[in-house]
Amino acid sequence: IQMTQSPSSLSASVGDRVTITCRAGQDITSYLNWYKQRPGKAPQLLIHAASSLQSGVPSRFSGSGYGTDFTLTISSLQPEDFATYYCQQSYSIPFTFGGGTKVEI
Amino acid sequence: EVQLVESGGGLVKPGGSLRLSCAASGFTFSSYSMNWVRQAPGKGLEWVSSISSSGNYIDYADSVKGRFAISRDNAKNLLYLQMNNLRPEDTAVYFCARVVLAGDYVLGTFDNWGQGTLATVSS
Repeated sequence: IQMTQSPSSLSASVGDRVTITCRAGQDITSYLNWYKQRPGKAPQLLIHAASSLQSGVPSRFSGSGYGTDFTLTISSLQPEDFATYYCQQSYSIPFTFGGGTKVEI
Repeated sequence: EVQLVESGGGLVKPGGSLRLSCAASGFTFSSYSMNWVRQAPGKGLEWVSSISSSGNYIDYADSVKGRFAISRDNAKNLLYLQMNNLRPEDTAVYFCARVVLAGDYVLGTFDNWGQGTLATVSS
């Protein structure tokens, strides 16, 4: 299943509201996860099942969507949020990731 | 605290082999399915393989099928990836990742990741 993220990169400032979109090549219901990755680090699960906040993740992160169109929103960007974000479908094998969205200052 | 520590990466010539290991601690390893995910330098994430908690269910990405083999030793809390007939395009950081729910089935949501080990395939 092809996963397409947009934009591939964006520039934002601390305090901004940021929205990243992800489109699946077919209906994946709510089997959609979001990960954050900082340079040289392992990915971190932020959101699973499209809208469930992973334990320990700040509430400024939220996810929405169903079927083929999904959104990750950061309500107020913090310095530690500058990173690359990936969506991923867990509907069927092979589990596929989007190409990533790099959030830069 | 869940800990996953990969090892076994290195430089190998095309056609060569490597065996990656992932040492798990801080949770009941035998209850969770596990995965390998890789990331080529400067590129995105690619799922490689999954193994269920018992080892009975295994699957691979088409790009590695027939060349890579995933396995686990639940007595030693170890996950393995045997990589044979390596190609330059297999050059990547390889992460082991635990799934979010315990059970003897393959899941695609990964809540804990190791720091990765770099495998470089070059002549």
